[in-house]
Order: sequence, then C-alpha cells, then structure tokens
Amino acid sequence: NAGVTQTPKFRILKIGQSMTLQCAQDMNHNYMYWYRQDPGMGLKLIYYSVGAGITDKGEVPNGYNVSRSTTEDFPLRLELAAPSQTSVYFCASSYSGTSNHNEQFFGPGTRLTVL
Amino acid sequence: GQQVMQIPQYQHVQEGEDFTTYCNSSTTLSNIQWYKQRPGGHPVFLIQLVKSGEVKKQKRLTFQFGEAKKNSSLHITATQTTDVGTYFCARGSNYKLTFGKGTLLTVNP
Repeated sequence: NAGVTQTPKFRILKIGQSMTLQCAQDMNHNYMYWYRQDPGMGLKLIYYSVGAGITDKGEVPNGYNVSRSTTEDFPLRLELAAPSQTSVYFCASSYSGTSNHNEQFFGPGTRLTVL
Repeated sequence: GQQVMQIPQYQHVQEGEDFTTYCNSSTTLSNIQWYKQRPGGHPVFLIQLVKSGEVKKQKRLTFQFGEAKKNSSLHITATQTTDVGTYFCARGSNYKLTFGKGTLLTVNP
C-alpha cells in the first residue's frame, strides 16, 4: 500500500492564481482531512470528509474548496491564491470515526508559497 | 473551539537526559492522541489514550492520561538524537482532531 499520497511536493503561485492540491489514499478509509501547518502553530483543519459525496468545513475553510467524488481521492482547491495561504498542507485519512479507531495517517505534505 | 495547550513550546536537552511535554485542556477530553513530526516530515501517530488515569509505554516513551481526563503527558527517558522532532497532542472528538501547537525537542549529542 502506498498509504496517503500528495502531489505536488512543492509549488510557487502568484497572487490570484488557482491550483488544486491532490490527495489520494489506497487504504479504503472513509474519513479524509486537509490541514495546513504554519510555523509554530500546529495543524489547523481546513476541510474534512466522512465519505464519498460528503464534505464539511473545518476550522479555517475560507479561500479553499474540496470535493470527494470517490473514496480514494480528496482534492483541495485554491481559487484565488493569497500570501496568507503560504503554508505546508497535509492530507490525512482514517478508517473510522469512532473514538477507538481514528488514528490518522498523513501524507508527505505540499509546501506552497504564494508570492 | 476546544483547544489543547501544550508546554513547553521548545525543549533542548543533552543526549541521555529525560524529556517531558504536557498537554492541558479546560474541558474533559474524550480521548487524546500523540503524534511525532520529524523535521521536514509529516505527523506520525504514536498512541491514543482513552481511559482516566491510563498509562501506556512504548520502549522509552511513557504516556499518561490524567485522572480528570483534562491533561496528558509524554515522557521520554534517556533521550537519543533520533528523538528530535515536534511532539503534538490532539484531542479527539468523534472523527476530528484538534491539535496543540506542539513541543519542539532538540537533542545535543
């Protein structure tokens, strides 16, 4: 199993550009998440999904959109990039929503810079 | 939101010294998870604690969950250079995690 994969690894955007960060998992996990990590600030939840066709906002959703058309894929869309979106983005997945089985598996991350 | 506070923010130790990081909440935690993130890497799950007063060990790492389920700690005995990284606690609520800001551990060989 590849686990959770993310592409690209690095990206530089100009202000106002758009892009999609890709995330895929091959563990048949129901739950998928997008986080951003800023230096010294821990991880902040952007969006999450509890299954194909279902998504919901996390703590910091403004400026982002997601979709979940399949169990495997959970892309994150930035429509109008702003310098405040410079961050490292992590995708994660977990098997179940129950409190005893929600270990999250993280992808390697995408380092995004908006200039 | 329901945050968790981690202290200290940074800790520098000599190899062989012990290290402890603490995670505190103002509200009762249903469970707490701990993750480790190596420099330049991604968070990796270490453990989950669910029961009041629970203590779990993984080799040199000891995890505790407070009796009131409002705090947790991670203790590393005799640190090694391989222990460097940021240690995060995260409160679990159904299918979501809220992460603390983490404790960055550096180890001087």
